[in-house]
Amino acid sequence: GAVVSQHPSRVICKSGTSVKIECRSLDFQATTMFWYRQFPKQSLMLMATSNEGSKATYEQGVEKDKFLINHASLTLSTLTVTSAHPEDSSFYICSARDFGRGLLRSKNIQYFGAGTRLSVL
Amino acid sequence: GQNIDQPTEMTATEGAIVQINCTYQTSGFNGLFWYQQHAGEAPTFLSYNVLDGLEEKGRFSSFLSRSKGYSYLLLKELQMKDSASYLCAVRERGNSGGYQKVTFGIGTKLQVIP
Repeated sequence: GAVVSQHPSRVICKSGTSVKIECRSLDFQATTMFWYRQFPKQSLMLMATSNEGSKATYEQGVEKDKFLINHASLTLSTLTVTSAHPEDSSFYICSARDFGRGLLRSKNIQYFGAGTRLSVL
Repeated sequence: GQNIDQPTEMTATEGAIVQINCTYQTSGFNGLFWYQQHAGEAPTFLSYNVLDGLEEKGRFSSFLSRSKGYSYLLLKELQMKDSASYLCAVRERGNSGGYQKVTFGIGTKLQVIP
C-alpha cells in the first residue's frame, strides 16, 4: 500500500526556535498533502492543505506566518513551526492523498505519516 | 461545515463482535472513511464507503446509509490488539477548484478485555 514518511518523529526544542517537519510520499506522487494537529484525547484538526507548486490553504484560525508550509515537489511537503512556544506543543501529522490507479482511482485515500511529537520547553 | 458524532468510549470482550456508529451532517457528502489509531501513533486506513451498503474486508466491515447520514464499523472476532481509537471521517464534495476537505470525528476509544 501507499506509504507516507514523516520526519522527525519527536522534537524537543527551546521556546523561540523554529522546527521543520518533513512529509514524503514514498511510492506515489502527491499533488496535495495535509497537515493536522492533534491534542491529547482530541480528534485530528486540519491545519492546512499543501498544494504542490502553489500556496497552501490554511484553515480558519491557523496563522500562516507561524506555520510555514512548502510543497516544492510532488513527493515532499514541509511544515515549519516558527518561533515555537510551549502552547505549540502537540502531535503533528501529515497526510497525502493517493489518487490511485484503475479501480482505486476514485477513492482518493489519505494515508498518514507516523506523526511528529513536538515538545517546546 | 460538517458535524460528526461517534461514541467516545466502548468496551468489548475478546472474541466478540462490536459495532461503532457514526452519524454525520454535511452539505456535500463525498465519501466516508474509517481509520484506526493506536495511542501516540498516526491513523491507519481501514475502509472507505461512498455508496450505500456494506463493505467487508476480513474481520472489519463498514456500512453506509447516505439518506440517514449514518455509518458503522463492525469488528468481528475481537483481538486484544484491536484496542485503539476508531476515527470516522467524512469528505465533502469539492468546490469549483476541486478542493475536497476531510473532517474527522473525535474518535471512539475501544477497549478489548479478556
